[in-house]
Amino acid sequence: SAVISQKPSRDICQRGTSLTIQCQVDSQVTMMFWYRQQPGQSLTLIATANQGSEATYESGFVIDKFPISRPNLTFSTLTVSNMSPEDSSIYLCSAGRQDANYGYTFGSGTRLTVV
Amino acid sequence: AQKITQTQPGMFVQEKEAVTLDCTYDTSDPSYGLFWYKQPSSGEMIFLIYQGSYDQQNATEGRYSLNFQKARKSANLVISASQLGDSAMYFCAMREINTNAGKSTFGDGTTLTVKP
Repeated sequence: SAVISQKPSRDICQRGTSLTIQCQVDSQVTMMFWYRQQPGQSLTLIATANQGSEATYESGFVIDKFPISRPNLTFSTLTVSNMSPEDSSIYLCSAGRQDANYGYTFGSGTRLTVV
Repeated sequence: AQKITQTQPGMFVQEKEAVTLDCTYDTSDPSYGLFWYKQPSSGEMIFLIYQGSYDQQNATEGRYSLNFQKARKSANLVISASQLGDSAMYFCAMREINTNAGKSTFGDGTTLTVKP
C-alpha cells in the first residue's frame, strides 16, 4: 500500500488567514481524498481530489473555502481559507487504488488551531 | 440511512482477553469491501483488515479477525489476546465498488480501553 507524507503536522493560525496542507504519496494512486475530524469523532469527507480537474466536494463544503489541487497522481493540496475558530480540527488526506483489496492509506494528519 | 453503524461508543476489555467490536452495514451494491482502522491517541489512521463481499472465508491478520456475516450485514472485528497498546479508537468502513465513486464510508467509531 501507498505511504503518504502530510505537512504540516500542526499549526496555529490567526483568524482570517489561510493554510495550505500538502500530501505527497510515494506511488501513483487513482484516488485521493481530504477529510476533517474533530477529536473523538468520525471522519467527515470534504472532497475527492481529481487529477487535473476540479475536486468533487461533499455537501456543506465549497471550493472557495477549501480549494484543492491535484496536479498529478501523487500530490495534492488542501487550503483552508479565511479561517475562523470553527475550522480548528484535524485534517487528513487519504489515498489508494479504488480496486485494491486493502484500505486506503492515510496521512498522519494536520492539527489546526485557529485563534 | 446510515451505511455503517457502530453501536458501541466505548468498550473495556481485560488484558489478554478477546474482544469483539460490532459493525453493521447497508448497501445495495453487490460488490463492496469492508475495512477496520485503528486510531491511537497519536491520531494516525492504521489500516487493520479487509473483507471483500465475495470472500468465502473470514479475513484474519495476526490477532485481528473479521467475523463476516453477509446475510446479517455485519462485519465485527475480533481482537484476540488484547494488549495495552490496543487501546484506541476503532473505525469500521465500507467501500462500494460500483457506486459512490470510490469513497469510503466510516462508522462513528468505538473507543476500546484495555485494562491491565
